[in-house]
Amino acid sequence: DQQVKQNSPSLSVQEGRISILNCDYTNSMFDYFLWYKKYPAEGPTFLISISSIKDKNEDGRFTVFLNKSAKHLSLHIVPSQPGDSAVYFCAASGDNAGNMLTFGGGTRLMVKP
Amino acid sequence: NAGVTQTPKFQVLKTGQSMTLQCAQDMNHEYMSWYRQDPGMGLRLIHYSVGAGITDQGEVPNGYNVSRSTTEDFPLRLLSAAPSQTSVYFCASSPPGAGNEKLFFGSGTQLSVL
Repeated sequence: DQQVKQNSPSLSVQEGRISILNCDYTNSMFDYFLWYKKYPAEGPTFLISISSIKDKNEDGRFTVFLNKSAKHLSLHIVPSQPGDSAVYFCAASGDNAGNMLTFGGGTRLMVKP
Repeated sequence: NAGVTQTPKFQVLKTGQSMTLQCAQDMNHEYMSWYRQDPGMGLRLIHYSVGAGITDQGEVPNGYNVSRSTTEDFPLRLLSAAPSQTSVYFCASSPPGAGNEKLFFGSGTQLSVL
């Protein structure tokens, strides 16, 4: 049973608008959450993270929100750009040691010019 | 600086064949790991190593072997390939105690088992 789920396999957004990617988790032991971005024929690259002691973390156009009571996190991209078109993976861990990341199934974001 | 290098990029095997997926990093990272990516399943950890001579199992280790004789290399061996092992395989590395953000991935090996 998947402990980290991304229920939307794909999302299409107009350039300049907001993209919201969602992620749910079931394991209450997860303490650290990350988003990775993946382009075709490349490995995933780290985008943004949040620890369970926070409910929001912002980095430029990217903001991650964490709702621990709902076991839900979301990634907001504002404004969306065509170069943001990629697959986004949500990941969770019980620590920040770089080990044993549990990934969601991914959401393919398409930003239309 | 090459980062994490995986070879080959593509491979087709017949059921029962064996092969080794190569992974090398030139960043002197202690931690290395192997993931497989399947549609809708995300990336799942196969095996990992926290240093030369030390390996451990991840979430889906069955059918795979690893060894870590040097800091730079972390090969993944399929002893008898099965169609269920058709997947995209990613190798990753990070320095010790660096945190999850410092996990660097290779570009992947796409494996098909017929």
